[in-house]
Amino acid sequence: QAVLTQPSSLSASPGASASLTCTLRRGINVGTYRIYWYQQKPGSPPQYLLRYTSDSDKQQGSGVPSRFSGSKDASANAGILLISGLQSEDEADYYCMIWRNSAWVFGGGTKLTVL
Amino acid sequence: VHLVESGGGLIQPGGSLRLSCAASGFSVSNDNLSWVRQAPGKGLEWVSIIYSGGGTDYADSVQGRFTISRDSSKNTVYLQMNSLRDEDSAVYYCVRGEDYWGQGTLVTVSS
Repeated sequence: QAVLTQPSSLSASPGASASLTCTLRRGINVGTYRIYWYQQKPGSPPQYLLRYTSDSDKQQGSGVPSRFSGSKDASANAGILLISGLQSEDEADYYCMIWRNSAWVFGGGTKLTVL
Repeated sequence: VHLVESGGGLIQPGGSLRLSCAASGFSVSNDNLSWVRQAPGKGLEWVSIIYSGGGTDYADSVQGRFTISRDSSKNTVYLQMNSLRDEDSAVYYCVRGEDYWGQGTLVTVSS
């Protein structure tokens, strides 16, 4: 089982909210990790969105709109990227990442379609 | 902050290639620099990191074949890739810290 699992795709309507999940493998406690989120559009490198550990330890990427926010669901052992007020330009691939055992581990990515 | 990768190209299996990541706007000696790769149509895979203190780490998939280094006088980070395999084919990105990514350089390993 992968360390980080993301749904392969998600669809949502313009103006709605989208909740992208990043589930940690059983036995790896989400509470102890800083979760990073990236957005990647076709033909472009990933762009850093934000990182989230807790409400007291979080960082928004430079120039990233506040409608992108991070959180955790301890009961689901998952990190969450919430995108509110969806716009067509938010259509992209989204990746989560954690540091684990001196290495970066990425989720498989979620393709978000805004339609 | 600006990162420019170079050195990619077509190489035969078993060959070697050295990628460069030229940095501007900051000192490579003061930040962690990583290489992350992305095979065509696939997700992101971390490759290696050089810490500000000079230590290094590698993904299991490249351990013993790839070497990361830096030249502070040129403000450049390198990735020496030896014994290349088909599965090493990817766009290789240089990343400062966890936030700033270069545009990438394409490596194609094929006979």
